[in-house]
Amino acid sequence: SQTIHQWPATLVQPVGSPLSLECTVEGTSNPNLYWYRQAAGRGLQLLFYSVGIGQISSEVPQNLSASRPQDRQFILSSKKLLLSDSGFYLCAWSVIAGLTDTQYFGPGTRLTVL
Amino acid sequence: AQKVTQAQTEISVVEKEDVTLDCVYETRDTTYYLFWYKQPPSGELVFLIRRNSFDEQNEISGRYSWNFQKSTSSFNFTITASQVVDSAVYFCALSEAGNQFYFGTGTSLTVIP
Repeated sequence: SQTIHQWPATLVQPVGSPLSLECTVEGTSNPNLYWYRQAAGRGLQLLFYSVGIGQISSEVPQNLSASRPQDRQFILSSKKLLLSDSGFYLCAWSVIAGLTDTQYFGPGTRLTVL
Repeated sequence: AQKVTQAQTEISVVEKEDVTLDCVYETRDTTYYLFWYKQPPSGELVFLIRRNSFDEQNEISGRYSWNFQKSTSSFNFTITASQVVDSAVYFCALSEAGNQFYFGTGTSLTVIP
């Protein structure tokens, strides 16, 4: 069965510090991978998605970036965090299945920027 | 324009009451998918159901049921005999061609014991 991992679970970082969040998927090959952010207030905002190694699509211009160095690994980074980067970051995966498929979410990382 | 509208921001019910969460969507595609997810206090989004646009049959899973009506572009979710463990934020989502999801803003459900 497929599982998705995210770490760390919780992170407190000062403004201006770098960020690296990691997401890995097990039990599937060639998944679509996604990064979402959920700020206080619940709405889910798609940040990046990837259909393959090295292929990243950005949905929202910001100081975050994403990379996919391996098939089942998705990394969210920032060189300098802003206060507005605080939130709950969720990684998700779906099978590349022609049209569309269910997205399955990881446990999330709660980021607080002070 | 919002592709998925969940007009109910917060709902409170007393345990054992039935509750319906509304979802209205907007799309020009003839082929699309609708989803419901549950987000308990722990934060992880839990997949509940996926329905494609060609299948308007209502579905029941235990205390959960879903009413899909293309005529009104709605995909409502009913919890029967609600329990405290049902307290969560519930998201409705739409997916069109291209494998991107459009989430609603969520409905926060509180079940009072």
